[in-house]
Amino acid sequence: GENVEQHPSTLSVQEGDSAVIKCTYSDSASNYFPWYKQELGKRPQLIIDIRSNVGEKKDQRIAVTLNKTAKHFSLHITETQPEDSAVYFCAASPLTGGGNKLTFGTGTQLKVEL
Amino acid sequence: DAGVTQSPTHLIKTRGQQVTLRCSPKSGHDTVSWYQQALGQGPQFIFQYYEEEERQRGNFPDRFSGHQFPNYSSELNVNALLLGDSALYLCASSRVWGSSYNEQFFGPGTRLTVL
Repeated sequence: GENVEQHPSTLSVQEGDSAVIKCTYSDSASNYFPWYKQELGKRPQLIIDIRSNVGEKKDQRIAVTLNKTAKHFSLHITETQPEDSAVYFCAASPLTGGGNKLTFGTGTQLKVEL
Repeated sequence: DAGVTQSPTHLIKTRGQQVTLRCSPKSGHDTVSWYQQALGQGPQFIFQYYEEEERQRGNFPDRFSGHQFPNYSSELNVNALLLGDSALYLCASSRVWGSSYNEQFFGPGTRLTVL
């Protein structure tokens, strides 16, 4: 089955700096890659996703890049703010004929310091 | 739109007992997936329901079972509870099996503690 590895496990940045979180996946059939943000005690929230037919997607301060050949994808957050502090999870899934089964990474605890 | 809702919020059980968790999907969604999230870990896929049938299953024992109702809501049942079943159980809904709309939206979860 699919295996998703995520690095780093913790990331501390100064407010206004950029943050990058990287994930690798093993199953070449995976072609849908969402990112979730989970604040303490709250539900995971979808912040951005990318499908394998594109290499990059951007939404304001957040961008995701995908390299299908190398089987890795990354989340980039620019101009970080204290409210960006949370745990971020990457996930991978095949877009089969049915609903997707997400395989998650182990998470990155992002701390944005003032 | 209330989004995905789950009940109860918290639950405490003892080993060997059985538990039922409930989920109502986001309006317009017809597919419900269940995930187990242990402390400090990413969610792990348990199973997925569409048209009242289990369509996909993760690496979980038969003690974990589920059901989907005609109104798309779903239940997760866990029998013979073990200490290791203590976790946050998340329900996620998505719409249209077989379409390109695969975004999954999560509920707030049920925190299960097994003593």
